[in-house]
Amino acid sequence: GQQVMQIPQYQHVQEGEDFTTYCNSSTTLSNIQWYKQRPGGHPVFLIQLVKSGEVKKQKRLTFQFGEAKKNSSLHITATQTTDVGTYFCARHHTGGFKTIFGAGTRLFVKA
Amino acid sequence: DAGVTQSPTHLIKTRGQQVTLRCSPISGHKSVSWYQQVLGQGPQFIFQYYEKEERGRGNFPDRFSARQFPNYSSELNVNALLLGDSALYLCASSLSGDQPQHFGDGTRLSIL
Repeated sequence: GQQVMQIPQYQHVQEGEDFTTYCNSSTTLSNIQWYKQRPGGHPVFLIQLVKSGEVKKQKRLTFQFGEAKKNSSLHITATQTTDVGTYFCARHHTGGFKTIFGAGTRLFVKA
Repeated sequence: DAGVTQSPTHLIKTRGQQVTLRCSPISGHKSVSWYQQVLGQGPQFIFQYYEKEERGRGNFPDRFSARQFPNYSSELNVNALLLGDSALYLCASSLSGDQPQHFGDGTRLSIL
């Protein structure tokens, strides 16, 4: 249906390594949002992508929206211990009145 | 400016009881959404309210209900609590329903 699948479920990296998480949908997305949740915290909005093929950067974070608007990715360059947490993608259900979150990718960073 | 505030922060109830959770949105935000988050999973959508009207409902039983007040604050009620209702309940506000959401710290509900 309108679920979003995230892979991987979790990833362990050494500090300084890069990290990528992927978000996939079987149906076309009107937009995609990314959130970060630190351990013990609440989700914090990172970015929203709307246009086909859109690429946005926030310092070491690069967000992409696929050309077909069915997938998205978040890439972190040179991870730091402050990047630890779970990264969620979220889509709006058709009609816009329901937000569906993926299961998230949990990032562990070893110093 | 104050962020989204939720109360209480923690709550312990027993099976069969009823609970009311409260949320105050960011000033100027007219939409409030409620989510249930079980450990290790993403937030599951329960309700969205905008201008005091329900605009979206997730796949939750009728034991779950909510309302939004004229000042845009909101309450989530859960009746006949089950062990499986133990979770973090998150409230999020936005300017309108399809805008980025700002989450509160949540209410940790434990059912014994």
